[in-house]
Amino acid sequence: GDSVTQMEGPVTLSEEACLTINCTYTATGYPSLFWYVQYPGEGLQLLLKATKADDKGSNKGFEATYRKETTSFHLEKGSVQVSDSAVYFCAHTGTASKLTFGTGTRLQVTL
Amino acid sequence: DAGITQSPRHKVTETGTPVTLRCHQTENHRYMYWYRQDPGHGLRLIHYSYGVKDTDKGEVSDGYSVSRSKTEDFLLTLESATSSQTSVYFCATGTGADTGELFFGEGSRLTVL
Repeated sequence: GDSVTQMEGPVTLSEEACLTINCTYTATGYPSLFWYVQYPGEGLQLLLKATKADDKGSNKGFEATYRKETTSFHLEKGSVQVSDSAVYFCAHTGTASKLTFGTGTRLQVTL
Repeated sequence: DAGITQSPRHKVTETGTPVTLRCHQTENHRYMYWYRQDPGHGLRLIHYSYGVKDTDKGEVSDGYSVSRSKTEDFLLTLESATSSQTSVYFCATGTGADTGELFFGEGSRLTVL
């Protein structure tokens, strides 16, 4: 069935370090792919998305490229800030406009 | 923001009591969803609605029921709460377009003692 696998957290980085959070998916057809971010005490909000193979989504310095051949959508940022500390969820569309989410990866950025 | 409000935001109850969580949206989105968030499980879909009076089960629907009598309101009911239903519950809405973007409420933390 449909699933999303993310790397385990927490990921702890110093400010200005490079970030990669791995995400792979299993789905039928050609789903759209998403990264959502959850700041402490809040609901999830869309960070970026890609709707077809080789598309690159980007927002707030974060990027992810839809890799159909490896069924991956890894999240990257060249220089993280303390304000990026949050939980990041990878997701893809399934049937009936439903999203399948990964388990989330907590990122902690320290000074 | 999609104007999604959840109530109550926090609730503590005892095993066996009924609980209803309410989600209210002001964006006229067709689709509404209830998810639960638990450590190690991420978000799991409980039930969803694709229109007034049209609902369907998600992956963890046992012990939950929903109702949607108006476009703007989606209720989640635990008929007889159990400790395993202690969780943070999120409501989300969407237009149903293939873009798949969902808009989330701030969550309702439920503790069942």
